[in-house]
Amino acid sequence: NAGVTQTPKFQVLKTGQSMTLQCAQDMNHNSMYWYRQDPGMGLRLIYYSASEGTTDKGEVPNGYNVSRLNKREFSLRLESAAPSQTSVYFCASKKGPSSYEQYFGPGTRLTVT
Amino acid sequence: DQQVKQNSPSLSVQEGRISILNCDYTNSMFDYFLWYKKYPAEGPTFLISISSIKDKNEDGRFTVFLNKSAKHLSLHIVPSQPGDSAVYFCAASHNAGNMLTFGGGTRLMVKP
Repeated sequence: NAGVTQTPKFQVLKTGQSMTLQCAQDMNHNSMYWYRQDPGMGLRLIYYSASEGTTDKGEVPNGYNVSRLNKREFSLRLESAAPSQTSVYFCASKKGPSSYEQYFGPGTRLTVT
Repeated sequence: DQQVKQNSPSLSVQEGRISILNCDYTNSMFDYFLWYKKYPAEGPTFLISISSIKDKNEDGRFTVFLNKSAKHLSLHIVPSQPGDSAVYFCAASHNAGNMLTFGGGTRLMVKP
């Protein structure tokens, strides 16, 4: 089992460009999450999908959109990248409503110039 | 307004001694707490957790203590090993576990 995988590992964008970060999990988990990590800020939740077919905003959703493509895949889209979106992005998943532990992918380091 | 705070950005400990990492929270609705460990260029990995109905949970060298009245939890690592050197995040859960709120992290350095 690969667990949670993310692509790409690194990306550099110019201001105004768009891109989609991909995430997939092979643990048959129901819930999936997107976080960003900035120095000294910990991880902040952008969006989550409690189950296939649902998505909800987290703490910092502005400038992002998400798609829960199927049970395995949850993508994060930046429509018009801004330098403030320079960060490390982590995808995570958990089994379902009765569980608390989230399992994280290796991250995508994004730089917006 | 940070609801979960780790006030020590870094901690240095000698190998074999105890490491104590602290975390404070403000939201009394949090019902479950977790500690994650993160190595550079990797994602966080789950370490240990505790429900709000308990005050202690132990797993090998790792023990988490919860003081609800003080809204404070701590992670004890005994004995500390050089491989424990990493960034440690505490996280708190509400909304039936659907959302985790993370602290800013503490970088632990264990010196041989």
